[in-house]
Amino acid sequence: GENVEQHPSTLSVQEGDSAVIKCTYSDSASNYFPWYKQELGKRPQLIIDIRSNVGEKKDQRIAVTLNKTAKHFSLHITETQPEDSAVYFCAASIQGAQKLVFGQGTRLTINP
Amino acid sequence: DAGITQSPRHKVTETGTPVTLRCHQTENHRYMYWYRQDPGHGLRLIHYSYGVKDTDKGEVSDGYSVSRSKTEDFLLTLESATSSQTSVYFCAISATGDNSPLHFGNGTRLTVT
Repeated sequence: GENVEQHPSTLSVQEGDSAVIKCTYSDSASNYFPWYKQELGKRPQLIIDIRSNVGEKKDQRIAVTLNKTAKHFSLHITETQPEDSAVYFCAASIQGAQKLVFGQGTRLTINP
Repeated sequence: DAGITQSPRHKVTETGTPVTLRCHQTENHRYMYWYRQDPGHGLRLIHYSYGVKDTDKGEVSDGYSVSRSKTEDFLLTLESATSSQTSVYFCAISATGDNSPLHFGNGTRLTVT
């Protein structure tokens, strides 16, 4: 079945620097790749998503890139701020199964 | 925010007792999901539903059952709770399944003693 690997599991960056989180997936038929942010004690919330017909998508300080050939996608956060501290999850769709498989999560800490 | 309500928000129960968690949505979405979240494991799918009375297993379905008698309600039952089922349980909904975002409820923290 579909497997999603997410790295790193923890990431610490200085405020103002960039952060990059990477995910790889196994099912070449996957066509939808969302990213979720989960603050402590809260529910996961969608921050950005990308579909397989697009290579890159940007929303202010957040961007996602997709390499279908290599089966990996990445989340890029620029000019990081303390409120970016959270756990981030990537996910990939399972074609025809109407569900998503999640990566294990990355705990991002922004140091002031 | 999507209209998703999970109840209860917190529950402590004893090993061997049955437990039912409820998810209620007001979005009229077809797809509903139950995930559990544990440290180091991310979000793992327990069961999901693609319509009234239509359900299927996820990757960690053993010891759990679900029912969906109405579009708006999706129930998760732990038939005989075990300590390994201590977790945070999230319900999620989706309009079109694998090609659209999931919207999560606020979660239920379940402790099995």
